[in-house]
Amino acid sequence: GENVEQHPSTLSVQEGDSAVIKCTYSDSASNYFPWYKQELGKRPQLIIDIRSNVGEKKDQRIAVTLNKTAKHFSLHITETQPEDSAVYFCAASKGGADGLTFGKGTHLIIQP
Amino acid sequence: KAGVTQTPRYLIKTRGQQVTLSCSPISGHRSVSWYQQTPGQGLQFLFEYFSETQRNKGNFPGRFSGRQFSNSRSEMNVSTLELGDSALYLCASSFGGTTNEKLFFGSGTQLSVL
Repeated sequence: GENVEQHPSTLSVQEGDSAVIKCTYSDSASNYFPWYKQELGKRPQLIIDIRSNVGEKKDQRIAVTLNKTAKHFSLHITETQPEDSAVYFCAASKGGADGLTFGKGTHLIIQP
Repeated sequence: KAGVTQTPRYLIKTRGQQVTLSCSPISGHRSVSWYQQTPGQGLQFLFEYFSETQRNKGNFPGRFSGRQFSNSRSEMNVSTLELGDSALYLCASSFGGTTNEKLFFGSGTQLSVL
């Protein structure tokens, strides 16, 4: 089955700096790559997703890039703010009836 | 529109007991999937139901089972509880066309097995 590796497990950045979280996947048939944000004590929420027919997608301060050849995708957050502090999960799916395979999460800490 | 509702919020059980968790999806959503979340392991896929049928299953033992009712509400059952089953159990709903769509998560049921 699919295997998703996520790095780093913890990332500490200064407020205003950029943060990058990287994920690799094993199944070349995967074609959907969402990112979920989970604030402390809250439910995971989708923040951005990308499909295999595009290489990059942006939404304000958040962007995701996908390299299908290397089988990796990354989340980029620019101009980080205190409310960006959370655990971020990447995931991959082949679609159809297959479930999402999640990475183990990255705890992003924004230092004031 | 009400969000995904999970009950109960917290559960404490002892080894060997069984437990049933409930999930009510967003109105109109026909797919419900279940995930186990533990520190350091992230979210692990348990199973997914669509129109009362299990469409996919993750790599969990047969002690973990589920079902979905005609109103799309879903229940998850764990029998013969083990200490390692202590976790946050999250359900998520979606319209259900495929899994390549946004999942809406509930707040989860925190299960503690003593």
